[in-house]
Amino acid sequence: AQSVSQHNHHVILSEAASLELGCNYSYGGTVNLFWYVQYPGQHLQLLLKYFSGDPLVKGIKGFEAEFIKSKFSFNLRKPSVQWSDTAEYFCAVNPKAAGNKLTFGGGTRVLVKP
Amino acid sequence: EAGVTQFPSHSVIEKGQTVTLRCDPISGHDNLYWYRRVMGKEIKFLLHFVKESKQDESGMPNNRFLAERTGGTYSTLKVQPAELEDSGVYFCASSRGSSGSTDTQYFGPGTRLTVL
Repeated sequence: AQSVSQHNHHVILSEAASLELGCNYSYGGTVNLFWYVQYPGQHLQLLLKYFSGDPLVKGIKGFEAEFIKSKFSFNLRKPSVQWSDTAEYFCAVNPKAAGNKLTFGGGTRVLVKP
Repeated sequence: EAGVTQFPSHSVIEKGQTVTLRCDPISGHDNLYWYRRVMGKEIKFLLHFVKESKQDESGMPNNRFLAERTGGTYSTLKVQPAELEDSGVYFCASSRGSSGSTDTQYFGPGTRLTVL
């Protein structure tokens, strides 16, 4: 069965620091890739997605992610975080041959200190 | 455009009782999904409706869980009888398309279920 790994469970950093969250998946076929975010007290929101084309994807709030097929990775980055980026971040994979269901990573809690 | 809504936001019940969760998808979205996150674990897929039909129910834990989507609009997820391990946050999501090729799922706020 496919799986999604997020290497960091918790990340603490200061405002203006750069953020990179790792995501690796274990499926060899064609995939759709997503990053979702859940701010405190709010529902899951889509940050960005990759279906095809340019492997560098830009999302909302200054986030971007790079799909590296050879490494089965889809890491999320933001050059300079703000306190408001405190949230839990989820990587999700949808193998195109497996219908619509998403397989999620375990989530990474990010705390940005002011 | 209203988002995915779920009711109730929280539910606390005792082991052996029945609970019914409701999800209203975004208007016009044929696809409706249920997911669950048990504390400390990843969000896991439960099942997928296309309109009123169950497209994939491979993630349903056991026959104590019953999902319905009569009329292809809102969906209910019933747990009967509830067990302690059913505690968690139940998310609903919806999407527009019928193909997985470029479909994006939009999530509701979740229902936090606590079984005592």
